Amino acid sequence: DGGITQSPKYLFRKEGQNVTLSCEQNLNHDAMYWYRQDPGQGLRLIYYSQIVNDFQKGDIAEGYSVSREKKESFPLTVTSAQKNPTAFYLCASSTGLTDTQYFGPGTRLTVL
Amino acid sequence: KQEVTQIPAALSVPEGENLVLNCSFTDSAIYNLQWFRQDPGKGLTSLLLIQSSQREQTSGRLNASLDKSSGRSTLYIAASQPGDSATYLCATNDMRFGAGTRLTVKP
Repeated sequence: DGGITQSPKYLFRKEGQNVTLSCEQNLNHDAMYWYRQDPGQGLRLIYYSQIVNDFQKGDIAEGYSVSREKKESFPLTVTSAQKNPTAFYLCASSTGLTDTQYFGPGTRLTVL
Repeated sequence: KQEVTQIPAALSVPEGENLVLNCSFTDSAIYNLQWFRQDPGKGLTSLLLIQSSQREQTSGRLNASLDKSSGRSTLYIAASQPGDSATYLCATNDMRFGAGTRLTVKP
């Protein structure tokens, strides 16, 4: 089946630790995105990538880092510099930046 | 900076009713607008994407319209069903999302 997978579904982290969220797609899409969603709010863009080995900051990139070494994979690292990391994280992909975006099931991160 | 607003934040209707969800945006220089559905604790499912050159897009009981000049889009749901209960979000192609409208369709 074609689609986007995110793992893990739930993640718990102690303060001061870095954690990496996985996002994999087999849709052969060039563009991939990471968003953060807080309760009652819309999605906010963290990072996006148009092509392998290239990525751009979104509106709330501080405290996060990404890599795009393979077309299929776009992992997100939440660093200890992120002040309020508890949120629902969503990964998406599309053929190009102006095409339909397809989303993964999300990862809920909780900082203890 | 683009701002996307969805009003109302929540809507409750009886089953069978036709309804309209609203989305407004501040920068009309958009290439397209997309409507999504989100069930609690889940990812987003794409419903419709309207190009700036189009005025409407239809999929089954859903019809989305786009008026760039007024900075508005609407999602029309015909003959609503309890299974339509979800949060509906709109997004412009510059990756700006509204906060969503939480729809409840009562049997």
